[in-house]
Amino acid sequence: SQKIEQNSEALNIQEGKTATLTCNYTNYSPAYLQWYRQDPGRGPVFLLLIRENEKEKRKERLKVTFDTTLKQSLFHITASQPADSATYLCAPDSGTYKYIFGTGTRLKVLA
Amino acid sequence: DTGVSQNPRHKITKRGQNVTFRCDPISEHNRLYWYRQTLGQGPEFLTYFQNEAQLEKSRLLSDRFSAERPKGSFSTLEIQRTEQGDSAMYLCASSLRAGVISDTQYFGPGTRLTVL
Repeated sequence: SQKIEQNSEALNIQEGKTATLTCNYTNYSPAYLQWYRQDPGRGPVFLLLIRENEKEKRKERLKVTFDTTLKQSLFHITASQPADSATYLCAPDSGTYKYIFGTGTRLKVLA
Repeated sequence: DTGVSQNPRHKITKRGQNVTFRCDPISEHNRLYWYRQTLGQGPEFLTYFQNEAQLEKSRLLSDRFSAERPKGSFSTLEIQRTEQGDSAMYLCASSLRAGVISDTQYFGPGTRLTVL
């Protein structure tokens, strides 16, 4: 069955550093992959979408890579700020309309 | 604000009671989804509407759950005879599918259900 793995342990980093979050998937080949941010008690908020023919996508301080050979996406936040603290979810395209989400990685940026 | 809205934001009920949640999608979006999320997990797909047609219902959804989207606008999710295991955040999302373009889903704030 399709499976998505994200670091279940929280990631703590110092303010100003680059945070790198990992999303690994197995048993399917998504045409695209999306990253969402979720704050406690709120719905996920769309951040970035990267397609299989794109190796890298940037938006302000965010960068996403997509390696279809490794079946992995990396999500980077440069010059991290305490306001970036949240849970980040990846959702590879499942080939249908429904998303399959990872469990998310909780990021905490320390001032 | 033209985002996805959900009501109520919080619902506390006693086991055995029925509850109904409402979702108002972004107005031009033709697709609507319901997800359930428990603590420490990602959202889990429950059901999906294309306009007013319910096209898929997850096997996770028991017969106690029903969803409607009359006239392809707002949607309701009803849970009958609630159980403590139904306690979760219920999320609604909508998207606009146009041809083969990937459709990003936009989520509402969720309804937090607590079953006592």
